Amino acid sequence: GAVVSQHPSWVICKSGTSVKIECRSLDFQATTMFWYRQFPKQSLMLMATSNEGSKATYEQGVEKDKFLINHASLTLSTLTVTSAHPEDSSFYICSASGSDHMFVQYFGPGTRLTVL
Amino acid sequence: DAKTTQPPSMDCAEGRAANLPCNHSTISGNEYVYWYRQIHSQGPQYIIHGLKNNETNEMASLIITEDRKSSTLILPHATLRDTAVYYCIVSNDYKLSFGAGTTVTVRA
Repeated sequence: GAVVSQHPSWVICKSGTSVKIECRSLDFQATTMFWYRQFPKQSLMLMATSNEGSKATYEQGVEKDKFLINHASLTLSTLTVTSAHPEDSSFYICSASGSDHMFVQYFGPGTRLTVL
Repeated sequence: DAKTTQPPSMDCAEGRAANLPCNHSTISGNEYVYWYRQIHSQGPQYIIHGLKNNETNEMASLIITEDRKSSTLILPHATLRDTAVYYCIVSNDYKLSFGAGTTVTVRA
């Protein structure tokens, strides 16, 4: 149990375009979802936390107008990188936690974004 | 500021137990100890968590000292597929702060 999927697994786009990444909890209801970013040879950095039906809470230094997060249902959250630039190229990972998981987060497989 | 301290790397032999240490001397009373691992180019995988008591599941055992200032993750029979970065995290809410972790290499 506790499976989280992400789509797409990788994406290449041109500079200035927008990219949407989906995160789904497949077998549990995710009351809280998280988005992380990981640059090569670095650890995961939390970008934002979202609760179903409410606005996401962004970490300091993360532009909320650039990284749009929607958590419209208990099984789906999306991250849209707007007007992507090469410096946004990274590994984006989502995670989800349910009310009966005692703060444990279950992670998706990640999405590799390359902006040309 | 890091709440946990882990060795940057360690090797272990396939089939042997792997003991991964973690220091968390400033842990507060309501903070849990979580262990995750990340295999190269994948999302992290939850392993185990505990508060005070030792815990065991199908993946590993977690030994927490009585003063809770340190813990050890034990992989009972390491396999090549256990090669990964292992993260020890303390938290009392949903926020997980990932440090550098320990890069564990299991050798045949």
